[in-house]
Amino acid sequence: DAGITQSPRHKVTETGTPVTLRCHQTENHRYMYWYRQDPGHGLRLIHYSYGVKDTDKGEVSDGYSVSRSKTEDFLLTLESATSSQTSVYFCAISELQARRATEAFFGQGTRLTVV
Amino acid sequence: SQQGEEDPQALSIQEGENATMNCSYKTSINNLQWYRQNSGRGLVHLILIRSNEREKHSGRLRVTLDTSKKSSSLLITASRAADTASYFCATDSGYALNFGKGTSLLVTP
Repeated sequence: DAGITQSPRHKVTETGTPVTLRCHQTENHRYMYWYRQDPGHGLRLIHYSYGVKDTDKGEVSDGYSVSRSKTEDFLLTLESATSSQTSVYFCAISELQARRATEAFFGQGTRLTVV
Repeated sequence: SQQGEEDPQALSIQEGENATMNCSYKTSINNLQWYRQNSGRGLVHLILIRSNEREKHSGRLRVTLDTSKKSSSLLITASRAADTASYFCATDSGYALNFGKGTSLLVTP
């Protein structure tokens, strides 16, 4: 398995509190992604990073921020958690070849419940 | 927005039968990938097919790509109970991969 670790694996938090999820990789891949997975929606991209301090928004970025201060770590922060952010969050890593996305490796996911 | 869309949403077959899943997408792509997700786990890459390829094989997997119809199919031959999982197609948009909603495959003994 690719060296990707998500923490925590499970979290229950209260509405209005900030929450930070961590993704750590040991593969030295340049590209890192945060997705959320919800029934009926599949996987949706939240934010992604194409290098240290280089990030961009995905299709469902509202209410989320990210930071990447080191190649190996990509943090996802829910600034003020809402019940609609209850979901399973997946981190993924990949490289590009000839400016084309190659296979992505996924973490085991973080199940977040906002009550 | 999500680029790929899988069809059917759910598929139930018996062991030994073949399973076919389809993926349609909207805009031009560089490549298309298929992933599998077992319940409660992360996604696992199965196969990548480039836009200039029409067919690709990997073990019991066969993927076709028709760029004129903006569609792809994944065929799993001689299915096994262990193939029970959700299957997703993914298309690239520059740096990121966009996933569909997936096909849920159930293979019964």
